[in-house]
Amino acid sequence: EAQVTQNPRYLITVTGKKLTVTCSQNMNHEYMSWYRQDPGLGLRQIYYSMNVEVTDKGDVPEGYKVSRKEKRNFPLILESPSPNQTSLYFCASSSPRGNTEAFFGQGTRLTVV
Amino acid sequence: AQKVTQAQTEISVVEKEDVTLDCVYETRDTTYYLFWYKQPPSGELVFLIRRNSFDEQNEISGRYSWNFQKSTSSFNFTITASQVVDSAVYFCALSEEETSGSRLTFGEGTQLTVNP
Repeated sequence: EAQVTQNPRYLITVTGKKLTVTCSQNMNHEYMSWYRQDPGLGLRQIYYSMNVEVTDKGDVPEGYKVSRKEKRNFPLILESPSPNQTSLYFCASSSPRGNTEAFFGQGTRLTVV
Repeated sequence: AQKVTQAQTEISVVEKEDVTLDCVYETRDTTYYLFWYKQPPSGELVFLIRRNSFDEQNEISGRYSWNFQKSTSSFNFTITASQVVDSAVYFCALSEEETSGSRLTFGEGTQLTVNP
């Protein structure tokens, strides 16, 4: 089954404690992205990757890091989480063609206290 | 820069009513793609439809229909005879040819509540 898998689904952490949210896809997609969803703001892109070792900033990259060492994995790293990073996070993958939809993971609800 | 606006934050209807969700977009590209996603209470994002800028044909899929009008930069979504299971947040999104599938710009979302 084609899918994007994120872990964990829920996470409560404390300010400043480094964390990683993993994302893996089994569709051999070149493109992967991270978005955050906040009430009234929709989804905003954090980082994206167009291929292995190729990453770029999206609209809201501050406070986040990513890496793309393998095609299937695209982890999101919060080196020093802060309460304003409390959000619902989605990983997505897609093929390079613009007319194909992005496939989304099930989401990770992160709370930073 | 691209932008998507969903001016309706929340809509509440009674079952069997028809409802239209509005989506207005901005882009300087001549080739672009529009999408609708549904987010039910369980939280996942479900793809509903995509449309490219060269295809202005309206589309109907069961109770769902989409009206794409380049002249007004709109891509509206209508649910006919709404049902309680249609209750969800609906997002309209845009990607441009240059960035293709790597970057989606989403609207703010519209929370649809269908009451029995």
